[in-house]
Amino acid sequence: DTAVSQTPKYLVTQMGNDKSIKCEQNLGHDTMYWYKQDSKKFLKIMFSYNNKELIINETVPNRFSPKSPDKAHLNLHINSLELGDSAVYFCASSQVVQRDQGEQYFGPGTRLTVT
Amino acid sequence: AQSVTQPDIHITVSEGASLELRCNYSYGATPYLFWYVQSPGQGLQLLLKYFSGDTLVQGIKGFEAEFKRSQSSFNLRKPSVHWSDAAEYFCAVGAWSSASKIIFGSGTRLSIRP
Repeated sequence: DTAVSQTPKYLVTQMGNDKSIKCEQNLGHDTMYWYKQDSKKFLKIMFSYNNKELIINETVPNRFSPKSPDKAHLNLHINSLELGDSAVYFCASSQVVQRDQGEQYFGPGTRLTVT
Repeated sequence: AQSVTQPDIHITVSEGASLELRCNYSYGATPYLFWYVQSPGQGLQLLLKYFSGDTLVQGIKGFEAEFKRSQSSFNLRKPSVHWSDAAEYFCAVGAWSSASKIIFGSGTRLSIRP
């Protein structure tokens, strides 16, 4: 069984459109993340949710809106897509217990191409 | 705030040769340190992690890393690389907080010479 899954794997769309990427984890973790990996492979955190509560919100345009309907799901909605949004988006999850920062488990990524 | 530097963008080694990938971190307290590997077109997989205790950490696929506080380093090593080790390697540093934030280095691309 896939631990962290994302859909779709590939997404090609035109500028100005609105799109969503879905993420689900079946690990029972309480924290989920969205990362953006640019063409130079640089990974930057965008958002993090803990038990459906937003705990990390990096400097991300407000066109990006995460939504966590329950602690196993964290979706990413992007409005008015721009060329610069083209990247690979990774979802991840972890379980933080007291002072033990659990490792993050990553999904396979969604390659978004905006034309 | 924590940060991490991987000084080598691209490294090529011969199959069967030893490997060391460098990682330097900046953090005021004891950090949590990770090495992840990303194969082409894939997500990231955890190789090993350091939280506390023994400074030499063993990971999967024959990798190990050593935490050196005096040098603020957490270098990844493997005694003999295989062609399947060709991938992108990311060092990451974290710190305990409710935010559970991990900062990734810029990555080192490893190529294997037959």
